Amino acid sequence: DSGVTQTPKHLITATGQRVTLRCSPRSGDLSVYWYQQSLDQGLQFLIQYYNGEERAKGNILERFSAQQFPDLHSELNLSSLELGDSALYFCASRPGGGGETQYFGPGTRLLVL
Amino acid sequence: GQNIDQPTEMTATEGAIVQINCTYQTSGFNGLFWYQQHAGEAPTFLSYNVLDGLEEKGRFSSFLSRSKGYSYLLLKELQMKDSASYLCAVRDKGSNDYKLSFGAGTTVTVRA
Repeated sequence: DSGVTQTPKHLITATGQRVTLRCSPRSGDLSVYWYQQSLDQGLQFLIQYYNGEERAKGNILERFSAQQFPDLHSELNLSSLELGDSALYFCASRPGGGGETQYFGPGTRLLVL
Repeated sequence: GQNIDQPTEMTATEGAIVQINCTYQTSGFNGLFWYQQHAGEAPTFLSYNVLDGLEEKGRFSSFLSRSKGYSYLLLKELQMKDSASYLCAVRDKGSNDYKLSFGAGTTVTVRA
């Protein structure tokens, strides 16, 4: 158990819908990262937040957005969902003041029908 | 950006040794990570190299050569539970973002 929690574990929805994925980082970790992993691609970095502020952006679609709240939990919002958005979405956290490793949560498996 | 290459699949016998190579091209380098990922589960951290040389952790070792843009992960005394995907990831140098770029992963199958 990495200490990072994600909800829900599984999500099934229809095209055009909007969903919110939630992540709680390890206690004390200030940085949160979101990744997408689909069958035909490896782990793709989406976005990073540090202590409530956006720090880095990767291959994140405009239909996707995220935020980190004062209690440091983060939410990833996916809208106008398409079939190709079906994937595993991972959240990872890392201590802000040091520590090199990102610790991954168990992931949310999203299926868009 | 990053260009990270690792073999797609490898097969080995229980008790044997397997070496997974990773080559990378990067505009900046600030560390290389190896993660293990079982199917449908979260990646778990195995090792981190930022300086040239070998880092040993029990049955797992990782090597880095920055001048060659090359790393390997060595798995010794293979066990059935080592069957998994092994991900090589490189961290960009520069800002404080510490974002990782991952290779596509190497699926290792351990046979009895």
